[in-house]
Amino acid sequence: DSGVTQTPKHLITATGQRVTLRCSPRSGDLSVYWYQQSLDQGLQFLIHYYNGEERAKGNILERFSAQQFPDLHSELNLSSLELGDSALYFCASSPGLAETYNEQFFGPGTRLTVL
Amino acid sequence: AQSVTQLDSHVSVSEGTPVLLRCNYSSSYSPSLFWYVQHPNKGLQLLLKYTSAATLVKGINGFEAEFKKSETSFHLTKPSAHMSDAAEYFCVVSYMFSGGYNKLIFGAGTRLAVHP
Repeated sequence: DSGVTQTPKHLITATGQRVTLRCSPRSGDLSVYWYQQSLDQGLQFLIHYYNGEERAKGNILERFSAQQFPDLHSELNLSSLELGDSALYFCASSPGLAETYNEQFFGPGTRLTVL
Repeated sequence: AQSVTQLDSHVSVSEGTPVLLRCNYSSSYSPSLFWYVQHPNKGLQLLLKYTSAATLVKGINGFEAEFKKSETSFHLTKPSAHMSDAAEYFCVVSYMFSGGYNKLIFGAGTRLAVHP
């Protein structure tokens, strides 16, 4: 158990809908990262928040957004869902901002299925 | 630019035989390298990380990796495979942005199958 929690574990929804995925980082970690894992794209970095502020963006679609709250939990919002958004979404956390040798600790993921 | 290539998408071994999962990286500076493992329907777990203190890195569950700068490689090995090692393995390089923050770049993954 990494100490990172994600809810829900599974989510099934329809095209055009909007969903919110939630992540609670390890106690004391200030950085939260979101990743998407799909069969055709592999594991891709979406976005990074540090202590409430967005710090880096990866391959995140404009239909997707995220935020990190004062209690450091984070939410990933996916809107106007398409079939291709079906994937496993991971959250990870790390203690700080740019400690190169610090690994990221991953949550169990949320499996999103868009029908 | 930083990138990582896992040379085998699938590796199959017999229980009790050695495991070799190959990884090559590209980095314009001294890299940070990790191996993560993902068991079916589970999140990613860190196996080991290279921190420049030693070129041979020992991880959990008997895994090791050797950093070879001349070959730009970071291959993962285990002397004797166990059935529970069957999983997907990701070689990862840490990429530093100019703004002083980093992100992880994942290889495509190697699926390890272990046969009795």
